[in-house]
Amino acid sequence: GQNIDQPTEMTATEGAIVQINCTYQTSGFNGLFWYQQHAGEAPTFLSYNVLDGLEEKGRFSSFLSRSKGYSYLLLKELQMKDSASYLCAALDSNYQLIWGAGTKLIIKP
Amino acid sequence: GAVVSQHPSWVICKSGTSVKIECRSLDFQATTMFWYRQFPKQSLMLMATSNEGSKATYEQGVEKDKFLINHASLTLSTLTVTSAHPEDSSFYICSARVQGLEYNEQFFGPGTRLTVL
Repeated sequence: GQNIDQPTEMTATEGAIVQINCTYQTSGFNGLFWYQQHAGEAPTFLSYNVLDGLEEKGRFSSFLSRSKGYSYLLLKELQMKDSASYLCAALDSNYQLIWGAGTKLIIKP
Repeated sequence: GAVVSQHPSWVICKSGTSVKIECRSLDFQATTMFWYRQFPKQSLMLMATSNEGSKATYEQGVEKDKFLINHASLTLSTLTVTSAHPEDSSFYICSARVQGLEYNEQFFGPGTRLTVL
């Protein structure tokens, strides 16, 4: 079956760095997305990886290892507004998004 | 950029009534739209894939007679929750896929919060 695993909740301190991991098993693979979702709002796009390696975009970076079925989202210089759920989603061979349950990130002052 | 709107943003209705939710792509044409449902503290659950001009494809366990989807044009898809019950209370989100983009990104609407009394 298809499966996405990511931690349920993480806590970090303002100004620090946090890494949110995601492992996936899908029927075929056409890339991996990270979305941010604030409570009561729809998800917003953060990143997309289809090739191995690190993609950096400002304070956020995303990494992919296709051979390991593994990705992580790295958030630097954490701000209080980064408190949200972070959703990992893999695109399968039918270009259907398979969603993880999301990681709730709590930022403390 | 690609903008998707949903209407209404929230709705409260009595049990047994039907509710229609609209999803519009504002500045692009979307041949494929997706309808998701999200319960509190859970991830998005795909309900159905809606293709313009054809019948929607429903995910396993989703009642197609209860959740009616119509994708009448390249910019509008509607979800009608028929004979709504309290257990249908949820956050409903639509998304649209932009054809030809490098990575098949989905753009999400702001969501509709449905509360059935």
